[in-house]
Amino acid sequence: DVKVTQSSRYLVKRTGEKVFLECVQDMDHENMFWYRQDPGLGLRLIYFSYDVKMKEKGDIPEGYSVSREKKERFSLILESASTNQTSMYLCASSQGPSREKLFFGSGTQLSVL
Amino acid sequence: QKEVEQDPGPLSVPEGAIVSLNCTYSNSAFQYFMWYRQYSRKGPELLMYTYSSGNKEDGRFTAQVDKSSKYISLFIRDSQPSDSATYLCAMSGKGSGGSNYKLTFGKGTLLTVNP
Repeated sequence: DVKVTQSSRYLVKRTGEKVFLECVQDMDHENMFWYRQDPGLGLRLIYFSYDVKMKEKGDIPEGYSVSREKKERFSLILESASTNQTSMYLCASSQGPSREKLFFGSGTQLSVL
Repeated sequence: QKEVEQDPGPLSVPEGAIVSLNCTYSNSAFQYFMWYRQYSRKGPELLMYTYSSGNKEDGRFTAQVDKSSKYISLFIRDSQPSDSATYLCAMSGKGSGGSNYKLTFGKGTLLTVNP
């Protein structure tokens, strides 16, 4: 089974801190994604990557950056955390030809105080 | 008009009921249609995947796509308490470049099946 592992289940940070969210997948998938999920707003795509060192902006990239140095690892970086970045963050991966079939991690609930 | 509209519910049904979940969309370029199920405090998991119009059945689940009406449905027969979850529709279009990798999700419908 595909496994997408997010490093933290819950995270509490202070405003202005630099925050790293890590995601690792074990099925050699080309595509990796970062979403945030908020009540009433649903899933929104922050960034995605379809190859190592490649990245593309999603719908809400402001305040975020990403890094993909290895195929299996995709990191989301909050350069200076703000309270409006309090959210559930979900990482996902997919195989190239079946890119719509996303495999999600369990999520990181981030609280910025 | 939003690209994908989904009634958030909540929807509460008795065990054994037939459940109908729906989404409408406005982008005629969408060709891939999916339903994801998300249990509380978990990530979504792919439940059904269809390409273009038509029906697809998998056990108690049936997905329908009507591209002419821009309407997709998920039916759950003989619903069970274990089906209690949020159901998210998702869709994407055929294209090249970065947009080809993006799914557009509905906001999800919260379903509770009562024993």
